[in-house]
Amino acid sequence: AQKITQTQPGMFVQEKEAVTLDCTYDTSDPSYGLFWYKQPSSGEMIFLIYQGSYDQQNATEGRYSLNFQKARKSANLVISASQLGDSAMYFCAMREEPNDYKLSFGAGTTVTVRA
Amino acid sequence: KAGVTQTPRYLIKTRGQQVTLSCSPISGHRSVSWYQQTPGQGLQFLFEYFSETQRNKGNFPGRFSGRQFSNSRSEMNVSTLELGDSALYLCASSKRTGASTDTQYFGPGTRLTVL
Repeated sequence: AQKITQTQPGMFVQEKEAVTLDCTYDTSDPSYGLFWYKQPSSGEMIFLIYQGSYDQQNATEGRYSLNFQKARKSANLVISASQLGDSAMYFCAMREEPNDYKLSFGAGTTVTVRA
Repeated sequence: KAGVTQTPRYLIKTRGQQVTLSCSPISGHRSVSWYQQTPGQGLQFLFEYFSETQRNKGNFPGRFSGRQFSNSRSEMNVSTLELGDSALYLCASSKRTGASTDTQYFGPGTRLTVL
């Protein structure tokens, strides 16, 4: 079964606007971590933001914030004030146990920022 | 602080050959994980090495193997290459403290083409 689902294959956003990327996950483990990565066309995966399953507050990191709804098992990434350099593929990933360093990735969402 | 480095960046091989990819983690990081990225299968976990021991393995055939050296550098080997092994191979390193906040930082990848 898919552990991470990203239902939006591609999105267009106007420069300076906000965009929300959806991510739902499936786990029965009470302890898990959720990660978002950005992959530009160069290929390197760039870590953006982390949310732990026990975190009470939504994570924020600069222009990135996470809308974490534990009961719905969703962890949507919000990018505010989009820039042209934000055009990339975005992946949601999950690590299910503290000592299990395997990341399960979603299929990714391609974001294209228009000037 | 230098990031994760991977060599070579690009490789072209023919079916039946073998290949060795190298990954140097961020200084102080002791865990190295390997992932395969293809358009069809997305990002899939290959294996993780910590303290020169394989800690976790994904669902890949035995042709895929790896090792880690005492300086935490890691290599992965693919023997008897098949066309389907053409992919971007990403290496990620982490401190592996056991904390759920442990983040994996990725290298630029090695793009392998099998002809």
